[in-house]
Formats: sequence, structure tokens, C-alpha cells
Amino acid sequence: TQLLEQSPQFLSIQEGENLTVYCNSSSVFSSLQWYRQEPGEGPVLLVTVVTGGEVKKLKRLTFQFGDARKDSSLHITAAQPGDTGLYLCAGARGNQFYFGTGTSLTVIP
Amino acid sequence: KAGVTQTPRYLIKTRGQQVTLSCSPISGHRSVSWYQQTPGQGLQFLFEYFSETQRNKGNFPGRFSGRQFSNSRSEMNVSTLELGDSALYLCASSGGTGEHNEQFFGPGTRLTVL
Repeated sequence: TQLLEQSPQFLSIQEGENLTVYCNSSSVFSSLQWYRQEPGEGPVLLVTVVTGGEVKKLKRLTFQFGDARKDSSLHITAAQPGDTGLYLCAGARGNQFYFGTGTSLTVIP
Repeated sequence: KAGVTQTPRYLIKTRGQQVTLSCSPISGHRSVSWYQQTPGQGLQFLFEYFSETQRNKGNFPGRFSGRQFSNSRSEMNVSTLELGDSALYLCASSGGTGEHNEQFFGPGTRLTVL
């Protein structure tokens, strides 16, 4: 059983469109990380959110941590081909990390 | 500050052989975690080492083992390789303490078992 579920699993959109990726759990996490991974490479850390209700922005990317610290969302505005990749969320509980199932995003020029 | 490094980047082995992968964490990080990533199973946690001790372990057979040295560098070993062991093996380092840990990944080692 996966502790963190991401949706959608696959997403293919046109350049310029907006999208939202969800990361849901029934468990509480002390913090949550979002990563982007390109084929054959390791995941790259995008952001860490730690406070319930926290919103962080990274250029066109907006990350939100749920009030109860059980879920998170990633919103991309005006997607670009460079946003293509696998997006992973990871929740931290103590010294352990639990990864989501991943969302594979393809942005078509 | 240098990132996490993994060697080798690519490896081809045959069934029954064994393999050793190496990971050097970010300077000052004491925790090293290993993951296996495959298209079908996603990112699966293997084990975590902190200050030379295995602190957490995933649900993998005993053929998968690891260790950590006093300089925090870590190695993982897979014995009696099977075709299903073909995967991207990722190493991640973190400070290992504190409430809000962050993990940083290396580029991975692509293992192909023939």
C-alpha cells in the first residue's frame, strides 16, 4: 500500500496550458518535498513545505501544503516544454521519507 | 558545495553475478538512503544508513545489502543478480537529524542484468 497517492499518473498538455498535480495521504507529515526527475537522472528537489496551509512559489510553479499536513498540490502556470518530466512528492515522518507514485508530465510545443 | 555523487553511472552484469555501487553524500550529511526505481514499481526504498548504522530498511530480499563508512560514503551490494534487478539505483543524502529533513539525490546508477 502506497502511503502517498499522486494524481494524475500521466498528463499530456499543450504549451501555455495550466495544470495541477495532487499528492494525497491519510497520514500526517512533518514536511513534504516536491521533486522533478528527467529520464536517466536523479530527482531534483524543487521545494520543501513544512507548515500546514503554506504556499510557496517558484517562478511559474506554486506549491501548497494542506492545512492538516496530509496533502499537497503543485500548480504550473503556462506550462513550457522544459517542464516535461516526472514529478514526485515525498513526505517526511521522523527520519523516514515516503514517496508518491509520481506524475509523468509531457508538455507539447 | 558538491552534490551527491554515484559511481559507476552505468553497469551491465549477467544473472548470478554480484555488483557493488558507491555513493558519496553531500559534505556534512550523515544519512544516506538507497532506492530502486523501475517503470513498473516506481521509487522503492531499500535502506538508510546513519553514522555507519542501518537505521531503516525497506522490504527487499537479503541479496540487497549495504554499508556506510566513517566518512559517510556508502556502498550497496546486490548478490546473485536476477533479471528483475535491472533498474536505476538512486542514492540520497540528508542531514539525518532535525524535524525538517530534506533529501538530495545523486544521478543514479543504471544497472542492466542480462
